[in-house]
Amino acid sequence: GAVVSQHPSRVICKSGTSVKIECRSLDFQATTMFWYRQFPKQSLMLMATSNEGSKATYEQGVEKDKFLINHASLTLSTLTVTSAHPEDSSFYICSAPPAGGRNEQFFGPGTRLTVL
Amino acid sequence: AQKITQTQPGMFVQEKEAVTLDCTYDTSDPSYGLFWYKQPSSGEMIFLIYQGSYDQQNATEGRYSLNFQKARKSANLVISASQLGDSAMYFCAMRGGYSTLTFGKGTMLLVSP
Repeated sequence: GAVVSQHPSRVICKSGTSVKIECRSLDFQATTMFWYRQFPKQSLMLMATSNEGSKATYEQGVEKDKFLINHASLTLSTLTVTSAHPEDSSFYICSAPPAGGRNEQFFGPGTRLTVL
Repeated sequence: AQKITQTQPGMFVQEKEAVTLDCTYDTSDPSYGLFWYKQPSSGEMIFLIYQGSYDQQNATEGRYSLNFQKARKSANLVISASQLGDSAMYFCAMRGGYSTLTFGKGTMLLVSP
């Protein structure tokens, strides 16, 4: 079945550094991918919609310059957390809409970011 | 705007018993999809079941069934014959016109021996 992968699964970085998270659709093409953030014991909140070949669409309250999204190909979207701070520590998870007439919406395994 | 409400922060069930996790929704879209996901402590989101707004029959997937009551705007998840491995966080979600998902706050299910 359709699979979405994410890399890295876990990252610890120092405050002020930038971290890049990759999201790949492994056996299907995704012109659109979604990035969510989940704080501990909370629900998933949509951050942005990544569009292949065009600018990402950000949800209200999400800083575009801080969370850079690039959707360079039909199978890869990247989220870069720039100048990360401890408050950016969270679980980041990507998703791709269903393909081939299927209803399931698949998620990547997530990336746990810890900023020291 | 879409809204998903899960009123049960936590639920307990004994192994082999059935359990119902509640979900109500609100939307102005005539066409929508409802999902249930399981999130174990590892964090991955595991798709369980889907119900389309125009589906006449309730969705079923193995031990999972979705009790869809459109007039009441509810989409409760029923897990039959609970297993210890069912202990996890469960999220109800709705997909509208742009394929984005709106999630409820989740229900933590604990299955005891």
